[in-house]
Amino acid sequence: QVPLVESGGGVVQPGGSLRLSCAASGFTFSSHGMYWVRQAPGKGLEWVAVIRFDGSSRYYAESVKGRFTSSRDNSKNTLYLQMDSLRVEDTAVYYCARGAGAGSFWHLDIWGQGTMVTVSS
Amino acid sequence: EIVLTQSPGTLSLSPGERATLSCRASQSVPINYLAWYQQKPGQAPRLLIYGASSRATGIPDRFSGSGSGTDFTLTISRLEPEDFAEYYCQQYGKTPLTFGQGTKVEVK
Repeated sequence: QVPLVESGGGVVQPGGSLRLSCAASGFTFSSHGMYWVRQAPGKGLEWVAVIRFDGSSRYYAESVKGRFTSSRDNSKNTLYLQMDSLRVEDTAVYYCARGAGAGSFWHLDIWGQGTMVTVSS
Repeated sequence: EIVLTQSPGTLSLSPGERATLSCRASQSVPINYLAWYQQKPGQAPRLLIYGASSRATGIPDRFSGSGSGTDFTLTISRLEPEDFAEYYCQQYGKTPLTFGQGTKVEVK
């Protein structure tokens, strides 16, 4: 049983939208802050967003603020990333990751396998 | 924003040798909330060290972390073949959370 499984990636035109999902299993999803981290092809890791265990607060990287929205449904053990106004520079593998604790400031102890998002005309 | 600078960019070593990776922060990392991750090609990152010096579950004791404030080090005491990979430091004490640019440990 894989703890985190992302889905929803694909190819989209600049200006388009995409919603990523991250299905969690094997742990108490509602007790953990959850994170999105991306990695452009051949590049390093970039933090994108974090949402507290109960969804009460969220933080975003400046590069995505106002365009991306992170949400969660604890009844479905699922994390989401709504990505609007996509740009070519958003092209990356998007990982969801579990924070070791409930809040927004934890190390990332479990990672999904990632889903590729390609923004291209 | 806390900028993390890792050095060297690439470390060329042989199995059995000691690896020392550096991560320097542009300002003090709150509560030493500094983690190290290992990433192999085509795979997701894996947590090695958190809180600057605590080993994650299942991580061999040849991996150790040290440092505080602005200077942190990841040491691999004796490189095994499976340790050749990319390594990233990350601070999670303050938003925006930031990663270093990575250090590649390659076979000499």
